[in-house]
Amino acid sequence: LAKTTQPISMDSYEGQEVNITCSHNNIATNDYITWYQQFPSQGPRFIIQGYKTKVTNEVASLFIPADRKSSTLSLPRVSLSDTAVYYCLVLYNFNKFYFGSGTKLNVKP
Amino acid sequence: DADVTQTPRNRITKTGKRIMLECSQTKGHDRMYWYRQDPGLGLRLIYYSFDVKDINKGEISDGYSVSRQAQAKFSLSLESAIPNQTALYFCATSDTTGRTGELFFGEGSRLTVL
Repeated sequence: LAKTTQPISMDSYEGQEVNITCSHNNIATNDYITWYQQFPSQGPRFIIQGYKTKVTNEVASLFIPADRKSSTLSLPRVSLSDTAVYYCLVLYNFNKFYFGSGTKLNVKP
Repeated sequence: DADVTQTPRNRITKTGKRIMLECSQTKGHDRMYWYRQDPGLGLRLIYYSFDVKDINKGEISDGYSVSRQAQAKFSLSLESAIPNQTALYFCATSDTTGRTGELFFGEGSRLTVL
């Protein structure tokens, strides 16, 4: 089971681009990388998923280098409402979803 | 109405009492999960079920049991509650038809054990 490592917290200002990096050194061939966002007292919400290179949707971009040992979630032009905890998950065959401690992003005005 | 519904939303109980948290879903998903979250921490997987006849332990199953009564219903029981089981509990579902890592969460059940 691939273990993930993320920064505990990050600060940013409104309008900036935020990049959160996750390390997953023992990722396996069949593993996918998924990111979630969680607001206080709510269940996590799916943001984006990828296997390699770059994935972009209306909310974020996910960058995965060729060796896949890390991934970076990029949030463009953050606002105060992006203040939340962000989790990186590595999924094997979409069977088990293990959440680590996540990265607490604090967006300041 | 929410696609994934948890009851009760809040519960205060005493040490030694039996507690059941219920989860029902209208998404038609086969896979269901129970997580607990402690203040300031991430989610930890308690049990998961891939269909009515398939139930598996997660990271922290000790002190908990589950029942998958139907495709749409997955209950979590604490046979004899203890204070360190005070936490926010989440039920979630996922789709097996496609290759997606998306979990759909309920609104959570906050349990306090005195």
